[in-house]
Amino acid sequence: KAGVTQTPRYLIKTRGQQVTLSCSPISGHRSVSWYQQTPGQGLQFLFEYFSETQRNKGNFPGRFSGRQFSNSRSEMNVSTLELGDSALYLCASSIQGEGTEAFFGQGTRLTVV
Amino acid sequence: AQSVTQPDIHITVSEGASLELRCNYSYGATPYLFWYVQSPGQGLQLLLKYFSGDTLVQGIKGFEAEFKRSQSSFNLRKPSVHWSDAAEYFCAVGATSGYALNFGKGTSLLVTP
Repeated sequence: KAGVTQTPRYLIKTRGQQVTLSCSPISGHRSVSWYQQTPGQGLQFLFEYFSETQRNKGNFPGRFSGRQFSNSRSEMNVSTLELGDSALYLCASSIQGEGTEAFFGQGTRLTVV
Repeated sequence: AQSVTQPDIHITVSEGASLELRCNYSYGATPYLFWYVQSPGQGLQLLLKYFSGDTLVQGIKGFEAEFKRSQSSFNLRKPSVHWSDAAEYFCAVGATSGYALNFGKGTSLLVTP
């Protein structure tokens, strides 16, 4: 069974631009979560989707948004990029969310210059 | 509010020695508990999980962890460390509303010959 796939693996963007990251979950998994990892703040929860509905959202500004499609694939978007958005963005999938284990992708390394 | 504490930022052990990584959590009910490992530039790999039942759980790569409710701890152990175990280890607690993992800051493990 294929794991969680995140594309692209690396991105370099300029301040003020926007970016879209993609996540394909493990087949049969309906919950997709996104996390931001930085050296200073560690791993922080962004949001979680289940059956195309956002069920939970972390403490991030509205510039961070996401969506989930009917095939459970998910995208997250960051608008008006800031230097502080440079991070490793990790996607995790699970069968149904709470009470089930989450499997992570390799992440997308975003660098904002 | 939930919190997860990993008291040791860095740990150095000799190859073949035993290992214990500490994790303490603050949570109002019996939480879902996880240990993940991350190699440089990679995503997170699930080592083991605790949802309920037997408080000693076995994971992959020879790791085990023990849930102690009275101490609010979920320490990770391995009887004999291999050089390939050098990585960053994260303890995480599962939320009750939606699916949001709350991570500790991580413990960096260095294995010496």
